[in-house]
Amino acid sequence: QQQVKQSPQSLIVQKGGISIINCAYENTAFDYFPWYQQFPGKGPALLIAIRPDVSEKKEGRFTISFNKSAKQFSLHIMDSQPGDSATYFCAASNAGNMLTFGGGTRLMVKP
Amino acid sequence: EPEVTQTPSHQVTQMGQEVILRCVPISNHLYFYWYRQILGQKVEFLVSFYNNEISEKSEIFDDQFSVERPDGSNFTLKIRSTKLEDSAMYFCASSEGVGRKILNEQFFGPGTRLTVL
Repeated sequence: QQQVKQSPQSLIVQKGGISIINCAYENTAFDYFPWYQQFPGKGPALLIAIRPDVSEKKEGRFTISFNKSAKQFSLHIMDSQPGDSATYFCAASNAGNMLTFGGGTRLMVKP
Repeated sequence: EPEVTQTPSHQVTQMGQEVILRCVPISNHLYFYWYRQILGQKVEFLVSFYNNEISEKSEIFDDQFSVERPDGSNFTLKIRSTKLEDSAMYFCASSEGVGRKILNEQFFGPGTRLTVL
């Protein structure tokens, strides 16, 4: 019940395209859903996060869509750029405690 | 911009040896965490720490592991007798709090790559 399932495992997108990564969770006690971006050899960096009281949050080219009834949330990267090539992790937590991470999506944006 | 720092960046040790991984969390943060990431896999929670005690730990965090905040700035993870399967990237993270309420955002350090031979 603590699992967060993430798909796809890898994604190739052309420059300027939209990258979409999906996550699903089981634990209804989760109340915080961040996305992290990780470059090789670096720590995860917080990209954007959402709480279940809103269905969408947008920051620049990054948007989280949240579907509470389906227990799913997704990251959309608009106008994807080669510099966005990284591994993306969704995560979830309950009241700010331990983060449960998804399996990660390796995104490659082709120029 | 304040950031979490970790030392060393890479630690190589022999199986059975003790290692101590060090972290300096962001200065006004009250909650501290250790996570690990085995090569190519997802990030896994190990332990959280608040007010000088462990607040939560995972099944991975067995008796071989311990954490300490020896002074006002450092936060350490000790592995008493390392195993081959402890080889991983270890990340420290910290988050703010207001009293006992955690402000959710966790900020991660760059990690320590532990290699057990």
